[in-house]
Amino acid sequence: NAGVTQTPKFQVLKTGQSMTLQCAQDMNHNSMYWYRQDPGMGLRLIYYSASEGTTDKGEVPNGYNVSRLNKREFSLRLESAAPSQTSVYFCASSDQPGSSTDTQYFGPGTRLTVL
Amino acid sequence: TQLLEQSPQFLSIQEGENLTVYCNSSSVFSSLQWYRQEPGEGPVLLVTVVTGGEVKKLKRLTFQFGDARKDSSLHITAAQPGDTGLYLCALRRARTGANNLFFGTGTRLTVIP
Repeated sequence: NAGVTQTPKFQVLKTGQSMTLQCAQDMNHNSMYWYRQDPGMGLRLIYYSASEGTTDKGEVPNGYNVSRLNKREFSLRLESAAPSQTSVYFCASSDQPGSSTDTQYFGPGTRLTVL
Repeated sequence: TQLLEQSPQFLSIQEGENLTVYCNSSSVFSSLQWYRQEPGEGPVLLVTVVTGGEVKKLKRLTFQFGDARKDSSLHITAAQPGDTGLYLCALRRARTGANNLFFGTGTRLTVIP
């Protein structure tokens, strides 16, 4: 039981390049999330998927797209990377998003640098 | 505007000392969670508090939820180097949907052996 896995762990891009961050969970959770973490800003929600087949914008969606490929996988795409997207990206999943006691399980993160 | 304020932002203490970190919001929330994040890893849930005035203990960690459900504190007794990490509070607003969890900026704790 690996929990939430993310690839790659590190990535360096040049401005304007594109890339896709991959995330998979093996806990049969319905909901999945993408966050970015920047110094002094905490974790901010980029996009989420409440269930397979649905995706919605979070707090900071500009410059990103997502795909909920199936119940296990949720990918984040940067079409034209910008230096402002330099950050650590975390994927998470949860089973009861409407519950006050819902727990989000996080992956180990992808550290992205855009030059 | 940050929904959640955590203080202090950084804390460096000697092994064996006690410490308290705080999480404050201007809004009432349905529940609050504390997560710990170690370097190079994702956050891991420590506790969820739901009821105003609730106190939960996890070994040397004591979590308190304010009576008005707008603030929380985490107290660590006799800190150990293994307690080093980023402590994040996250509030859950009383609304339906999956996008109802908001994180604070965190307190970065270093426990010196």
